[in-house]
Amino acid sequence: GIQVEQSPPDLILQEGANSTLRCNFSDSVNNLQWFHQNPWGQLINLFYIPSGTKQNGRLSATTVATERYSLLYISSSQTTDSGVYFCAVEPPNSGYALNFGKGTSLLVTP
Amino acid sequence: KAGVTQTPRYLIKTRGQQVTLSCSPISGHRSVSWYQQTPGQGLQFLFEYFSETQRNKGNFPGRFSGRQFSNSRSEMNVSTLELGDSALYLCASSPSGGGYGYTFGSGTRLTVV
Repeated sequence: GIQVEQSPPDLILQEGANSTLRCNFSDSVNNLQWFHQNPWGQLINLFYIPSGTKQNGRLSATTVATERYSLLYISSSQTTDSGVYFCAVEPPNSGYALNFGKGTSLLVTP
Repeated sequence: KAGVTQTPRYLIKTRGQQVTLSCSPISGHRSVSWYQQTPGQGLQFLFEYFSETQRNKGNFPGRFSGRQFSNSRSEMNVSTLELGDSALYLCASSPSGGGYGYTFGSGTRLTVV
């Protein structure tokens, strides 16, 4: 099956710093999404981004489908950004099943 | 509008018992998917329902089953619980399956002792 690799696995930032999270995938996909899992376990949908670039406040994401990677940018990080960020892809003919990467665990310190 | 509601939030069961988890999707969403999250395996797809029909199933044993009702609410059942079934079970709803509008609930944390 399709492999989804996220890097880095762990990241510690000071408040106000910027960061880039990367997601590589091994084959073509129909769909790519970024999620943030908060400390209570809920997965929050950040971006639906099978290709191109999107921005939402301090967060932006870019997916280059032809090169099979996606980037999530966090600018001016805040302590509330802490948590785990997941990239998930929907392979063709997967019946809407998402394949998740192992996530990037982010800790933003005051 | 109300989000995806999962009940109960926490559950402790004994090995060999069975358990039923519930998921109420966002109003108007007809697709419900279930995922299992464990520290070792990460997030894994269990199954997806649309209009009361299971359209897709992940690689889990037959002890894991589910169903969807006419109001789109879904339940998943795990029979003969094993210690390894301890996990966070997440459901997600979307208008028609995956893609845009995919919204997760807060999950049910199941502990098997």
